[in-house]
Amino acid sequence: EAGVTQSPRYAVLQEGQAVSFWCDPISGHDTLYWYQQPRDQGPQLLVYFRDEAVIDNSQLPSDRFSAVRPKGTNSTLKIQSAKQGDTATYLCASSRLGGYTGQLYFGEGSKLTVL
Amino acid sequence: GDSVTQTEGQVTVSESKSLIINCTYSATSIGYPNLFWYVRYPGEGLQLLLKVITAGQKGSSRGFEATYNKEATSFHLQKASVQESDSAVYYCALRNSNNRIFFGDGTQLVVKP
Repeated sequence: EAGVTQSPRYAVLQEGQAVSFWCDPISGHDTLYWYQQPRDQGPQLLVYFRDEAVIDNSQLPSDRFSAVRPKGTNSTLKIQSAKQGDTATYLCASSRLGGYTGQLYFGEGSKLTVL
Repeated sequence: GDSVTQTEGQVTVSESKSLIINCTYSATSIGYPNLFWYVRYPGEGLQLLLKVITAGQKGSSRGFEATYNKEATSFHLQKASVQESDSAVYYCALRNSNNRIFFGDGTQLVVKP
């Protein structure tokens, strides 16, 4: 079974530029999470989907961040007008709600540096 | 609100010695939370180490164990004899009734040979 795939693995931007991160979850997983992990901190939830619906985006900085999962499979997280404070690793995770035990399966992350 | 606290940013232990990594939590959902330990080995992604869904139960994996103590709101990770290969970053996490999963800031375990 293929794991969660994320791309790109690394991105370096100047402030004000935009970037998109892509996530391909494990096949059959209906729930997908995006986390932001600043250096030396734990992952912090940005948004999560069940199928194509946003279930919780209360922690997503909506003025510059957006996330979609149009067909309930792959997902894209976009940052408009990046700031230095956005420097972090962006983690995607997936799970299956049916028989859910709470385990998340993580990708390797996309490391963003904003200069 | 719901949160997880790991007080030690780094723990250094000599090989074959015992280990405890502290985790306490705050949760508001009745009947929850579910508790987890995740681990990131060098060069790898975050992965589940162990989980406990019910208060009072103990989970174990790879020689590690943790007991869900609802009275103390704790979920400390322990191992009787660590190995160099256990060197990694360990994250305590909780799941609440809204299916949100909160992580602590992680504890870097360094095992000295």
